[in-house]
Amino acid sequence: ETGVTQSPTHLIKTRGQQVTLRCSSQSGHNTVSWYQQALGQGPQFIFQYYREEENGRGNFPPRFSGLQFPNYSSELNVNALELDDSALYLCASSLGEGEKLFFGSGTQLSVL
Amino acid sequence: DQQVKQNSPSLSVQEGRISILNCDYTNSMFDYFLWYKKYPAEGPTFLISISSIKDKNEDGRFTVFLNKSAKHLSLHIVPSQPGDSAVYFCAARNDYKLSFGAGTTVTVRA
Repeated sequence: ETGVTQSPTHLIKTRGQQVTLRCSSQSGHNTVSWYQQALGQGPQFIFQYYREEENGRGNFPPRFSGLQFPNYSSELNVNALELDDSALYLCASSLGEGEKLFFGSGTQLSVL
Repeated sequence: DQQVKQNSPSLSVQEGRISILNCDYTNSMFDYFLWYKKYPAEGPTFLISISSIKDKNEDGRFTVFLNKSAKHLSLHIVPSQPGDSAVYFCAARNDYKLSFGAGTTVTVRA
C-alpha cells in the first residue's frame, strides 16, 4: 500500500507566474485536502475535494484552484504568484470527509 | 483568526521524563481533536485523537486530555524517548476541515 505522494518536492518560481502541484492519494482514499504551511506556522486549510467535487474551502483567494481526477489524484494550481505564497504545500488524503488525514511530505514552493 | 493556539513554541525534556504539550481553542463547534507529529522533510503523521464527548484517550506512551469547559487539551508523553524529538501540532476538526496550532518543537535530551 503506497502512501500519499507529492511532486515536485521543491519548486522555485517568480512573482506573477503560475504553478501546478500534484498529489497521489493513498490507495482507497477518495478525499483529498490541501493545506498551506508558512514558516513557523501550522498548516492552513485551502480546500477539500471529494469524488472530484470541491466540497469545502478555506480563506484563500480564487487564484488558488484545484482538481481531483477519477483515480482520486489531485492538483493544486496557483495563478499570479505572490511572494507570500512561499510555503510548504501539503496534500492529505482520507477515506471520506472528516476522516483521519494522511499527509504527503509536501512541496516546498519559493516565490522570488 | 487563530482558533487553535499552542503557546509554547518549544519544550526540552530529559529522556525518561514526561513531556506535556498544551493546546487551547476558541471554537465550541470543534467535535474532534488530534495531535500530529512532524519530522523535518516529512509530512505530519497522526499520533492520537479524542472525541469532544470524551475527556481522556490513551495509546501506549501517549495520553490526550480534554477539558471542554476550559477549551484546553494536552498531550502527555511518558516516558519521553529520543525518537520523540519532533514538532507536534494540535489540530481541531469542524465539519470537514482541520484547524492547526503553530506547533511545539520537542527536544528530548539524553
